Order: sequence, then C-alpha cells, then structure tokens
Amino acid sequence: AQRVTQPEKLLSVFKGAPVELKCNYSYSGSPELFWYVQYSRQRLQLLLRHISRESIKGFTADLNKGETSFHLKKPFAQEEDSAMYYCALVDSSYKLIFGSGTRLLVRP
Amino acid sequence: SAVISQKPSRDICQRGTSLTIQCQVDSQVTMMFWYRQQPGQSLTLIATANQGSEATYESGFVIDKFPISRPNLTFSTLTVSNMSPEDSSIYLCSDRDSDSYGYTFGSGTRLTVV
Repeated sequence: AQRVTQPEKLLSVFKGAPVELKCNYSYSGSPELFWYVQYSRQRLQLLLRHISRESIKGFTADLNKGETSFHLKKPFAQEEDSAMYYCALVDSSYKLIFGSGTRLLVRP
Repeated sequence: SAVISQKPSRDICQRGTSLTIQCQVDSQVTMMFWYRQQPGQSLTLIATANQGSEATYESGFVIDKFPISRPNLTFSTLTVSNMSPEDSSIYLCSDRDSDSYGYTFGSGTRLTVV
C-alpha cells in the first residue's frame, strides 16, 4: 500500500539549532515526493519537491530510496520556520497522499 | 503554477442543510481534487473531480453526501449535503498543474455545523 509516515507530531527546537523532520514512504516504483508547509492561518504551500533538488528557505530534502525516506533538513532553524510541515507522495493515479504532519516549533 | 480562488472562506451552517464550495483556477488544469482536513488532522482526499464525467471517490466518501461538479477545466464545486456537526472541518481543493506537475491548493473553507 502507498503510505507516508511522519513519526513526529511535534518537533521543538531552539533558534539556530539544526532541524530534521522525518518522512518515510511506502511505494512500489519511483516515488514523486513533496514537502508542503502551512503557516498559521495561511494556505498550504509547496516547499520542496524531490525532482527539483532545490533549497528553499534554507531547507533541503534528499530522497533515499534504500531507506525509503525523504527527510527535511535545515542547518539553522529560525523562529519564522514555526509551522506545520507535511510530506506527500504522488500515487499511481496522480493523487497526493499526505503524511500526518509534523508541527515545528522554533523557540527563541 | 496555477492560482486557485476558493470560496467561501468560512461558514457556519445549520445541521441538515447543504453548503456548496467553489474553486476557480486561473488556468486550465486536467486534474482537480477535494480534501478534508479535520481539526488537528492531516489532509484526507475526498475525491478526484473529473471534467465531463463523475467524480472518483475515495473509500469512506460517497456521491450522495459530497456531490462534485467539474463543468470545465478551470472550475469545480463540492457540496456537503445534509450536514451534521461531524462535517465541521476545513475543505480544500487542489489541482495538478499540467505543465509543472506540481500541486496547488485553495485557501480552504472552514465549515462549522451547529
């Protein structure tokens, strides 16, 4: 079955600390993976997609097919990074399947 | 990427009534989707809105409860029918961009059923 797992509901770090939000997936084939972010009272917006290999707002994510992971990382967290982060997988019917989400709280 | 305008942004409705949510995309898109986000939860796909044919519903969602229209490649509606307090949620539409294959989301409709 196609599935996305985000094991942490809440991740709390201090400003300037490194951040890693975990995402594991289950998919038979070449996965298409995204990270979406939802700031308070804002719409869901795309942060990263694995095929672009970009760094957005200092965040990066590397697809590890051996570990079936797509963890989101940032070396130095900022307070404005506090938000809800969702990992998502495109299934064989082009539907986007979301993980349960991780709330990142960056403390001053 | 496409921009989606979704309305209403919020509504408070009486149980037993119906609410229709609209999404307008600023470009033609092949695929549109409807999601539900219950309080404190992730997004759950309700259905894929197919242009010119019936929507494809996910397990646990039925057409009688959530009828969907997709009259053209830029517009879709979701109706929440015969509402109960359990339908209180945020409803979002989304599209898959035909060029970039990215997914864009509407701003959501926060529905409260009393």
